[in-house]
Amino acid sequence: DVKVTQSSRYLVKRTGEKVFLECVQDMDHENMFWYRQDPGLGLRLIYFSYDVKMKEKGDIPEGYSVSREKKERFSLILESASTNQTSMYLCASSSPSGVYTFGSGTRLTVV
Amino acid sequence: QQQVKQSPQSLIVQKGGISIINCAYENTAFDYFPWYQQFPGKGPALLIAIRPDVSEKKEGRFTISFNKSAKQFSLHIMDSQPGDSATYFCAASWGSGSARQLTFGSGTQLTVLP
Repeated sequence: DVKVTQSSRYLVKRTGEKVFLECVQDMDHENMFWYRQDPGLGLRLIYFSYDVKMKEKGDIPEGYSVSREKKERFSLILESASTNQTSMYLCASSSPSGVYTFGSGTRLTVV
Repeated sequence: QQQVKQSPQSLIVQKGGISIINCAYENTAFDYFPWYQQFPGKGPALLIAIRPDVSEKKEGRFTISFNKSAKQFSLHIMDSQPGDSATYFCAASWGSGSARQLTFGSGTQLTVLP
């Protein structure tokens, strides 16, 4: 069964901390994505990557950066966490036919 | 242009009833319209999808109706069950190969009462 694994289910961080969210997929997909999910706002795209070391900004990239050093791993970085970044973060990868597979999410609380 | 508008935000249905969730879009470049289902504590998972060359697709109790001229599509859940209680997202996709992207609606929280 294909899988996208996010390293943490729950995280609590302090304002100003640097935060790393890790995501690994085992499907050899080229495309990987980071979304944040907030009630009433749906899924909003933060960054995506279509190849190793390649990245593109999504709809809400401010305050975030990403890293993709290996095809299977896509990391989301919050350089200086703020309380308005408290959210559910979802990683996904997509097949060549466009089917997305999501991880179970990381619920981040910034205090 | 990339928006998909989804309604209602929440929906309560009795067991055995029909659940209907609606979505609308503007961008005519969209060429693939999936629906994702998300249970609490899980990521969204593909439920059913349609391409604009057909007006309806049915898989079991789940049906997508697609109206290309109105730029609207909807999900119908027949004989709704408590196990269908989840958040549903419509989405629309465009592009090709590595450039293909997906934009999501705002989600509908469905509760099916026993």
